[in-house]
Amino acid sequence: DAGITQSPRYKITETGRQVTLMCHQTWSHSYMFWYRQDLGHGLRLIYYSAAADITDKGEVPDGYVVSRSKTENFPLTLESATRSQTSVYFCASSSGTGGEKLFFGSGTQLSVL
Amino acid sequence: AQRVTQPEKLLSVFKGAPVELKCNYSYSGSPELFWYVQYSRQRLQLLLRHISRESIKGFTADLNKGETSFHLKKPFAQEEDSAMYYCALLTGNQFYFGTGTSLTVIP
Repeated sequence: DAGITQSPRYKITETGRQVTLMCHQTWSHSYMFWYRQDLGHGLRLIYYSAAADITDKGEVPDGYVVSRSKTENFPLTLESATRSQTSVYFCASSSGTGGEKLFFGSGTQLSVL
Repeated sequence: AQRVTQPEKLLSVFKGAPVELKCNYSYSGSPELFWYVQYSRQRLQLLLRHISRESIKGFTADLNKGETSFHLKKPFAQEEDSAMYYCALLTGNQFYFGTGTSLTVIP
């Protein structure tokens, strides 16, 4: 499933800095998602997008910004990183609703010092 | 609101023993439920979905609407089953995941 790629794989940043995590998919999937994975919380949805120029908040959107100017890209920006945003971030895509499965990227491990 | 509950964070079983990973959900509509798995150093991937009523790698999961459960079962655990398992509920456009259960199969 190399059709969805995330970059960088690892990122260390400092509190207050802006960080952008990239996600690119080659399937022209309509839906794209950003999750964060934390011990004790599992996977929590940050933002999702149903199509280009359509985005919506998930469970934990505060402190994050997304955009979807092109179907294949869905970058996630931390406007002013905080230590609580240290996490593993997963991007995922699916072709639509109705039982369609999610395809996940390999994740970005972000550490905010 | 907690939509998906996986009560066990860690689960250890011996090779060849039966294994059951519990999942309960909270949803008033008709649920679409999935199990995703993350093996060491691999991406999260779909294991099975209730709508397919399939058995993958010997695992099955039956949707019990009365008990609002979707437990994952395998009669004989194998070492390669050691992984992180997530139960997921699809509502509208969003997938909600449980907190995950880390399964260790002891040789």
